[in-house]
Amino acid sequence: QVQLVQSGAEVKKPGASLKVSCTASGYPFTNYYMHWVRQAPGQRLEWMGVINPIGTHTSFAQKFQGRVTMTRDTSTSTLYMELSSLRSEDTAVYYCARGGESSYGDFDYWGQGTLVTVSS
Amino acid sequence: EIVLTQSPGTLSLSPGERATLSCRASQSVSSGYLAWYQQKPGQSPRLLIYAASSRATGIPDRFSGSGSGTDFTLTISRLEPGDFAVYYCSQYASSHTFGQGTQLEIK
Repeated sequence: QVQLVQSGAEVKKPGASLKVSCTASGYPFTNYYMHWVRQAPGQRLEWMGVINPIGTHTSFAQKFQGRVTMTRDTSTSTLYMELSSLRSEDTAVYYCARGGESSYGDFDYWGQGTLVTVSS
Repeated sequence: EIVLTQSPGTLSLSPGERATLSCRASQSVSSGYLAWYQQKPGQSPRLLIYAASSRATGIPDRFSGSGSGTDFTLTISRLEPGDFAVYYCSQYASSHTFGQGTQLEIK
């Protein structure tokens, strides 16, 4: 069965950087686009960006341009998201989610979420 | 950016009743690239409906989606206790955006 397992909760100070991982299993990792979505406390879901199946192309929401990096390691079926210059407003649960095979698609499987707290 | 507005904000119903949730887009969602997700407290979202009206794998036929253009609807025909949750619509025709959610609560 498809599983996306994310790294554990993090506490970061303002200005620091964050790296979250998401390890996939149960399907051919290099066939699907992968996304990152976050949810601040009590807020709606917010799409951050997408990486293509082989990791050669990314696209980010304008809000995160210049601050986010997404990579994928096909040898370990692991996806990574790095967010720099953290601020308190980045406190949220971060999710990886599987997209489509031939296009960005909807999100049919989700990781369990990684809680990130940014606080001095 | 396509802005999605969901209504109502909160819907109070009893098990066995029918729920109708609305999602309106600020501009047309091409090719019906609209999805619905269910999220329970402390859990990840779960895909219910994609392409406006197609049920995702394992989703019971009590859940149905309809609509096109700028107006979309999620209908739950007979509410069960496990259906009480927050529901989000999302468009993936132009980047990705989400609605603010509808809280479906037990009356």
